[in-house]
Amino acid sequence: DVKVTQSSRYLVKRTGEKVFLECVQDMDHENMFWYRQDPGLGLRLIYFSYDVKMKEKGDIPEGYSVSREKKERFSLILESASTNQTSMYLCASSLSRAEQYFGPGTRLTVT
Amino acid sequence: GESVGLHLPTLSVQEGDNSIINCAYSNSASDYFIWYKQESGKGPQFIIDIRSNMDKRQGQRVTVLLNKTVKHLSLQIAATQPGDSAVYFCAVSPPWGNTGKLIFGQGTTLQVKP
Repeated sequence: DVKVTQSSRYLVKRTGEKVFLECVQDMDHENMFWYRQDPGLGLRLIYFSYDVKMKEKGDIPEGYSVSREKKERFSLILESASTNQTSMYLCASSLSRAEQYFGPGTRLTVT
Repeated sequence: GESVGLHLPTLSVQEGDNSIINCAYSNSASDYFIWYKQESGKGPQFIIDIRSNMDKRQGQRVTVLLNKTVKHLSLQIAATQPGDSAVYFCAVSPPWGNTGKLIFGQGTTLQVKP
């Protein structure tokens, strides 16, 4: 079974802090994704990566950056957390033109 | 581009009845479609997929129907159970690129009444 793990289930940070969310997949997938999920807005793509060190902006990249130094790990970075970044963050991985496998999510609260 | 819409944000059914959740997509060249289930507090889980060379695909208690003429996708759940209560998303693979990117619908919340 594909496993996608995220470093934290719940996280509370203060405004202005730098926040790292880590995602690891164990199936050698080339594609990895970061989404945020908010009530009434569905899943919104923040960034994705189709290879090591390669990244592309999704629909809402402002305020976020990503890092993919190894194939199995994709990190989402909030350079200076703000209260409007309070959300559920979901990581996913996939092969090309195939289903995405999701992690359990990180519920981030910025106070 | 590609966009994905759902017809109903919420569907309430009686336990034991069949459920039908609908989805519409915009790009007739899209060729791969997926349904996900998301239970409260969890990440979305793959249920079933279908490619454009098929009209129907069946799994365990679930059937996906694809109508390419009207660009419509549906998920049918037979004999709905309380454990089926969740948010259901359809997702469409855009016909361009090869990055695994999916376009997701907004989700339909299925409520199963005992």
